[in-house]
Amino acid sequence: NAGVTQTPKFRILKIGQSMTLQCTQDMNHNYMYWYRQDPGMGLKLIYYSVGAGITDKGEVPNGYNVSRSTTEDFPLRLELAAPSQTSVYFCASLSADNYGYTFGSGTRLTVV
Amino acid sequence: EDQVTQSPEALRLQEGESSSLNCSYTVSGLRGLFWYRQDPGKGPEFLFTLYSAGEEKEKERLKATLTKKESFLHITAPKPEDSATYLCAVRGNAGNMLTFGGGTRLMVKP
Repeated sequence: NAGVTQTPKFRILKIGQSMTLQCTQDMNHNYMYWYRQDPGMGLKLIYYSVGAGITDKGEVPNGYNVSRSTTEDFPLRLELAAPSQTSVYFCASLSADNYGYTFGSGTRLTVV
Repeated sequence: EDQVTQSPEALRLQEGESSSLNCSYTVSGLRGLFWYRQDPGKGPEFLFTLYSAGEEKEKERLKATLTKKESFLHITAPKPEDSATYLCAVRGNAGNMLTFGGGTRLMVKP
C-alpha cells in the first residue's frame, strides 16, 4: 500500500531550466493537491484537481502548470525555474476516511 | 478567506513538562479542523480531525480540543520522540482543500 509517491526527492535546477515533479497515488482518490512549503510559512496551495481532466489554481499558481490525465497521476511542471521557486513541494490526495489529506514525502527543489 | 494562525512558532520543553499548542482560525463554515505531525524531511502525518466545538480527540500523549475560534493540542508528559513540527489546518465551505497554519516546532529535551 504505497499511498502517495513523489519523485524525485531532491533536485537542483539552474535558473531558466524546466522540470516535472511526479506524483502518483494508488488509493483511487479523486482529489489531489500540490503545495509548497517554505520555512515558517506553512503550506501554500499551488494547484488542485477534483478528478481526471479537471484542474484549478490555488493560492500561488504563477510559474507552475499541472495536468491530470488519469486518476493516479498529477504531475507539476515548472517551465522557467526561478530562485523564488526554491522550496519543498508536497503532493497530497484526499482521504475519504478522515476527510483530511494523505501526503507524499516531498520534493526538495533548489534553483540556483 | 480562511485563515489559520499557530502559536508559538517554536516551543522547547523538558521531558515530562506538559504544555499546549494553539491554533486560532477564521473560516466560513467549518467542515473540519485537522492536526498533523511533520518530522524533518518528511510529509505531514495525520493526527486528528475535529468537527464541532466541544469535541476532543486523544492519541497517546496528545489531546486535541476545539472551540468556535481555536483549537489546542495538549501534550502531556512529552518525550523526546514527540519532537516535531505540528501543523493545524481547516476546511471551510469553499471546497475540498485545507488552509494551513505556519506550524509549531516542538523540541523536547531529555
